[in-house]
Formats: sequence, structure tokens, C-alpha cells
Amino acid sequence: LAKTTQPISMDSYEGQEVNITCSHNNIATNDYITWYQQFPSQGPRFIIQGYKTKVTNEVASLFIPADRKSSTLSLPRVSLSDTAVYYCLVGINTGTASKLTFGTGTRLQVTL
Amino acid sequence: NAGVMQNPRHLVRRRGQEARLRCSPVKGHSHVYWYRQLPEEGLKFMVYLQKENIIDESGMPKERFSAEFPKEGPSILRIQQVVRGDSAAYFCASSPPPASGNTIYFGEGSWLTVV
Repeated sequence: LAKTTQPISMDSYEGQEVNITCSHNNIATNDYITWYQQFPSQGPRFIIQGYKTKVTNEVASLFIPADRKSSTLSLPRVSLSDTAVYYCLVGINTGTASKLTFGTGTRLQVTL
Repeated sequence: NAGVMQNPRHLVRRRGQEARLRCSPVKGHSHVYWYRQLPEEGLKFMVYLQKENIIDESGMPKERFSAEFPKEGPSILRIQQVVRGDSAAYFCASSPPPASGNTIYFGEGSWLTVV
């Protein structure tokens, strides 16, 4: 299983860009990298997914270097409502097994 | 969370009772996952099912826990003879038939409290 490591917590001011890095040194060739956001008492919410290079959607960007041993979730201009736990998930669904491993998550606190 | 429905949202059971948690996947999704989250901890994989088949139950305790996803109806996570340590949030997720990079979508969770 691809083990992931993230910072336990991060603090930011509203309006700043936040970058959260996840290390996954033993990522497998077919593994994808997915990030989820979780608010208290809610289920994880999909943010973005990528395999290599850069992926961007309306809420975030995901940067994956060539060796794919890490990835960085970038949240532009965070607001107070972005305060949540962010999980990096590495793995792949296959027909015979799902090895989708959550890391410990990064608790992002956004303040004024 | 793309339509994964879990019920009940909150369940209180006395020690020794049974808990049944239900999960209806997103319409068209044929694969279901169950995760457990203890307070202030991350999500731990429990079991991965497709209809009428358990694909991977490596994360599920061998005793007292069982899961099913019948041909008709929701997926059920069943915990027999609950103990206080079973108190946790149980999240269900679903996905379409697997292919590279398929995203899984989570429900809002079922909070089990054992008293």
C-alpha cells in the first residue's frame, strides 16, 4: 500500500494561497492521487484528482512532479469556510481490490 | 457528496446490542466501500464490496463485523454485540465499476454511540 505523509496542521490568513504537500514515496505505477476535504460531522468531499503534472479545476490545483513521489494541493485565496481537514489519498480501484489509503490528514485553520 | 445516502445518521446502542448501518450508493454505482473514523483520527478502510460479492474485507475486524451488498437494496454494515470501542463514525462511499482513477464519493456518515 502506498503510505502517505502530510503535515498535521497548517494555519493561513484569509485571502492567501495555501499549499499542502503529501509525500507518497512508494506510489505504484497505476496509482492516482486524490484529495478530499472534510468538515466536522460530514463525509469527505472530493476536491481534485490527478496522475501526473498539473491538474486544475474551479476550486484547486494539484501539482505532481515527474517522479510522483509527492503531490501538492494548492488552494487559491482561501476563505474562512476552507477551514477543514484535507486528506491525500493514493491508490486505484481495480476489479479485484481497492487499496485506497487515507493519510492522517492536514488540519487547515484559516483566520482573518 | 454526489448522492450517497446513509442511515441512520445517528445511532445509540447499549453494549451487547446489534447495530445495522445502511448505505444506498449513487444511482448506477455498483461498488461500495465502508470506512471507520474514530474521533480526531483519519479514515480507516474496512471493506469493499460489489453487488453480491465482497472484494476486499482486509480492514474489517474478523469478529462481530459483517457487510453485504445484495442484488437489491442498500449495502449493510452489521456490528454484533457492540462494545464501547465501536463508537465511531462509519462512512460509506460508492463508485462506478472500477477503472483507472475512478473517484469514490462519500456519504455523510453514520455516527454510532455505544453506551
